[in-house]
Amino acid sequence: AQSVSQHNHHVILSEAASLELGCNYSYGGTVNLFWYVQYPGQHLQLLLKYFSGDPLVKGIKGFEAEFIKSKFSFNLRKPSVQWSDTAEYFCAVSSTSGTYKYIFGTGTRLKVLA
Amino acid sequence: DAGVIQSPRHEVTEMGQEVTLRCKPISGHDYLFWYRQTMMRGLELLIYFNNNVPIDDSGMPEDRFSAKMPNASFSTLKIQPSEPRDSAVYFCASKTSGSYEQYFGPGTRLTVT
Repeated sequence: AQSVSQHNHHVILSEAASLELGCNYSYGGTVNLFWYVQYPGQHLQLLLKYFSGDPLVKGIKGFEAEFIKSKFSFNLRKPSVQWSDTAEYFCAVSSTSGTYKYIFGTGTRLKVLA
Repeated sequence: DAGVIQSPRHEVTEMGQEVTLRCKPISGHDYLFWYRQTMMRGLELLIYFNNNVPIDDSGMPEDRFSAKMPNASFSTLKIQPSEPRDSAVYFCASKTSGSYEQYFGPGTRLTVT
């Protein structure tokens, strides 16, 4: 079955700490991968995406993610978090075959302490 | 440029009542998606449309749920009759053909008492 797993449901960090959020997927065929962020009270916004090419992708606000095909993983990283990064982060996968459906992970709530 | 617009932003209703959620996609986008977000199940795709035609409604939980897209700029998600377990945030998203990136609206928080 197609699925996306985010193992960290809640993460609490102090400002300037490094962040890594895990995302693993189970999906037949080639995939597109996404990280979305949802700030408190706001809608989902795209943080970064991977379609092909360089497996290390950089997104907005200093975030990056690495696609490791052999591990079916697409972990999100940021070297130094800020209080304003407090949000919920969602990993999503879609097929490259044109169905355009996203499968979302259950999300990780990040709280950054000032 | 306006993003995806959803209304109402909050809806509180009693069990058994009909609820209608509305969505206006970004102009020029020909795909529209309805999602439901709950604590227990996260974000689930309910249904999506292409050029106003429903393509996949396999995520619609049961017959109480229905969705329509009468034209390119408007879609509704209706729940009749509503139940407390329908309480959730319902998101609408849209995108263009050939792009995999979806743009989300602000969501409608539905509470059924």
